[in-house]
Parts: sequence; C-alpha cells; structure tokens
Amino acid sequence: SQQGEEDPQALSIQEGENATMNCSYKTSINNLQWYRQNSGRGLVHLILIRSNEREKHSGRLRVTLDTSKKSSSLLITASRAADTASYFCATDEGNYQLIWGAGTKLIIKP
Amino acid sequence: DTGVSQDPRHKITKRGQNVTFRCDPISEHNRLYWYRQTLGQGPEFLTYFQNEAQLEKSRLLSDRFSAERPKGSFSTLEIQRTEQGDSAMYLCASSPQGITEAFFGQGTRLTVV
Repeated sequence: SQQGEEDPQALSIQEGENATMNCSYKTSINNLQWYRQNSGRGLVHLILIRSNEREKHSGRLRVTLDTSKKSSSLLITASRAADTASYFCATDEGNYQLIWGAGTKLIIKP
Repeated sequence: DTGVSQDPRHKITKRGQNVTFRCDPISEHNRLYWYRQTLGQGPEFLTYFQNEAQLEKSRLLSDRFSAERPKGSFSTLEIQRTEQGDSAMYLCASSPQGITEAFFGQGTRLTVV
C-alpha cells in the first residue's frame, strides 16, 4: 500500500519558473525523502528531512515538513529543462522500508 | 560506474515461465532492497536484506517470489510461474549501515506475455 500522496499529479511550467509539489502521508515517520525519476538515470535521492526538522535546503531545492499536518512540500527554484522528471516522496517509519506516493510528473517547457 | 547494477535491463517472458533477476549493490552497502513499480505509481516495497539475512518481506511477495543474498553481496529475485500481473519494473536499491537514503539501480523491466 502507498502512504504518500503527491499533489499535483502533473505540473507543467516555463523554464525559469519555480515548481512546488506537495506530499501528504498517514502515519508517524522518522524521516521523509524526495526522489527524482527520469528515464535516463532512474530513481535518484534528492533530499532527506528528519521528523524534528521543519525546513531544509539543498542547492535549488527547498523542502518543508509539517508533522502536525503530515505533509511536506518540495520547491524547485529557477527550473531548468533537466528538471523534467517524476518526483516522489517516500516516508521512513523506522523499519527501513520506504513507503512511496504515486509521484508528481513535472514538465519544464523551454 | 560503481553504482547499483541490475541485470537484465529488460525481460520478456511467457506466462508460466520462471525468471530470475540479479542485483549488484554498491560494494560497501550492507543493506539491499527490492521494490516493484508499475506505470504511474511509486515503488512498492518487496523485501529487505541486511547482509545475507532477509529481515523483512512484504505481503506482496507471494510464495511464487523468492529472494536471496548469498554471502551478503549480490542478490537475486526469482519469480516462478509468472503471471501477467507480474509485469512491472523491478528495482533494487542499497544503502550503508545507519543511512536510510537508498541508491537505486536502473531496474529490470519485466513483461509477461
């Protein structure tokens, strides 16, 4: 079964714009991770945020976590064509099994 | 390339046949995972090894599925008597001790006809 739900399911923006995608989950977690998947490189880990953290940055990525609402958001700033991919959130409940959402398909238009 | 490698990348098989997939994790990673992904969905956990011990197994893993990791290095996933519903991408991932982020291989795409 899948725990996370990403929103929106698909997002199409112009190159240079910011992209925001959201993830909601159902149970208590140790951490939440975001991954990117495209046909060229498979699934790649982007960023991990622990349950006691509220915000984290990595380059053009900004992740927030609200454990009271059981939700997270991923912001990609100054989008590039290479950011075109599917983005997944995955939650770790402490048993090393990641539970995944269905993903947001992001298309960056040149 | 010292990433996770999976073999084969693609497999087409007839219903009822057995198939076996191989995963070579990153060499210093003692944890190995198998996931299954269908089109438009996120990965679903199948099983987890710590070294050679299989510590977790999803209810999705019916008795037709078996996974091994002899000597705690490479792993194999075997599906017996394949069914059309087994068609999916099978992903292998590994991680080092104490780290939960997973490093994924490119996957094996299975098509059962």
